[in-house]
Amino acid sequence: DTGVSQNPRHKITKRGQNVTFRCDPISEHNRLYWYRQTLGQGPEFLTYFQNEAQLEKSRLLSDRFSAERPKGSFSTLEIQRTEQGDSAMYLCASSDSYNSPLHFGNGTRLTVT
Amino acid sequence: AQSVTQPDIHITVSEGASLELRCNYSYGATPYLFWYVQSPGQGLQLLLKYFSGDTLVQGIKGFEAEFKRSQSSFNLRKPSVHWSDAAEYFCAVGPSKTSYDKVIFGPGTSLSVIP
Repeated sequence: DTGVSQNPRHKITKRGQNVTFRCDPISEHNRLYWYRQTLGQGPEFLTYFQNEAQLEKSRLLSDRFSAERPKGSFSTLEIQRTEQGDSAMYLCASSDSYNSPLHFGNGTRLTVT
Repeated sequence: AQSVTQPDIHITVSEGASLELRCNYSYGATPYLFWYVQSPGQGLQLLLKYFSGDTLVQGIKGFEAEFKRSQSSFNLRKPSVHWSDAAEYFCAVGPSKTSYDKVIFGPGTSLSVIP
């Protein structure tokens, strides 16, 4: 069990650029979640997958956000045309069942200048 | 729809004093409930979880939580707080009735510990 891995740890980008984050879950975990966390707030749900199927996407998420999980393994989260309001910590978590605790990665901190 | 509230944004306690952090949830069935802790610059760590059975659950670091269905609450307690417990604490509710529900988190309670 090597834990949930997220890359990069930090990303600084200029407004209007596209960014992509990667998450490698614990092997054989079929559930994978993406959350966004800003300072002093709880993790805000973005989207989640069961295997390769995306089960739900937050209504708060604009069309600039897209996530994939090809073959039910790693996942990518892409933000197009970034805005300053996108600056946050993006967290990935995985679990081996719908009723199991989530195991979190250390997150990717995005700064949009 | 699922929801979680944590009424206390910030709590300060003296080292050695007891602690109770409040959590209320809304869910259509008996939920799965969790408490996570996040220290500054660290990732989220699971403290404890409730799935079914005994309504008083024990976790790591001397924490416990009690599920009260009648009050839709899952409060976290610790009899004697240590300075290292200063952190952000998050309550979360997960699915029990259908595998298509997600895990959502409350806004968090920030704990400060004074000597």
